[in-house]
Amino acid sequence: DTGVSQNPRHKITKRGQNVTFRCDPISEHNRLYWYRQTLGQGPEFLTYFQNEAQLEKSRLLSDRFSAERPKGSFSTLEIQRTEQGDSAMYLCASSPRLGRGSYNEQFFGPGTRLTVL
Amino acid sequence: QQQVKQSPQSLIVQKGGISIINCAYENTAFDYFPWYQQFPGKGPALLIAIRPDVSEKKEGRFTISFNKSAKQFSLHIMDSQPGDSATYFCAASSRETSGSRLTFGEGTQLTVNP
Repeated sequence: DTGVSQNPRHKITKRGQNVTFRCDPISEHNRLYWYRQTLGQGPEFLTYFQNEAQLEKSRLLSDRFSAERPKGSFSTLEIQRTEQGDSAMYLCASSPRLGRGSYNEQFFGPGTRLTVL
Repeated sequence: QQQVKQSPQSLIVQKGGISIINCAYENTAFDYFPWYQQFPGKGPALLIAIRPDVSEKKEGRFTISFNKSAKQFSLHIMDSQPGDSATYFCAASSRETSGSRLTFGEGTQLTVNP
């Protein structure tokens, strides 16, 4: 399978615990994105990496959230001291290096469903 | 501020009919408009996309119509099938924004009855 993969697919945790999610982008895609999707809503942007550099973070990304992409390949998203409001689907997307005049096609993974009890 | 507004919220169509979903945007810097299809428990899948230099793009049964002056675009699904039942999201992005992040609409839940 050459698509974007995410693990775990489901995570149930108790309030106050830390959780970490992993995303493996499509091979050779240098851009990686994290989005959050709550029930009945469209995905909302959280953060963006170009290679290993985190270039943009949304105001939705509180200081309890941290994301890394240490070698410019896979990425992790950690949520510390989880709250019930963190319950959502966390989606990862990747896109290839943009050529001149090209547009940013983003390909999504299956997501990690987080439930905070 | 909701920059991409999508309607209707839900849509029921008979098999063989035409499904039409509309989106309107505010940011004139947007220059890429994709549509995504999402099944329950799955991530969004890129369906079709359009750039503002064309007014229509067709791929199989799916057509995007784009009206730059009205800042609106729509998805038409011809000969709708029960397998098309899913949630559809319009989105928009701008190359002026770092990373060209996507801004999504609220989604339309499409049901195609057999």
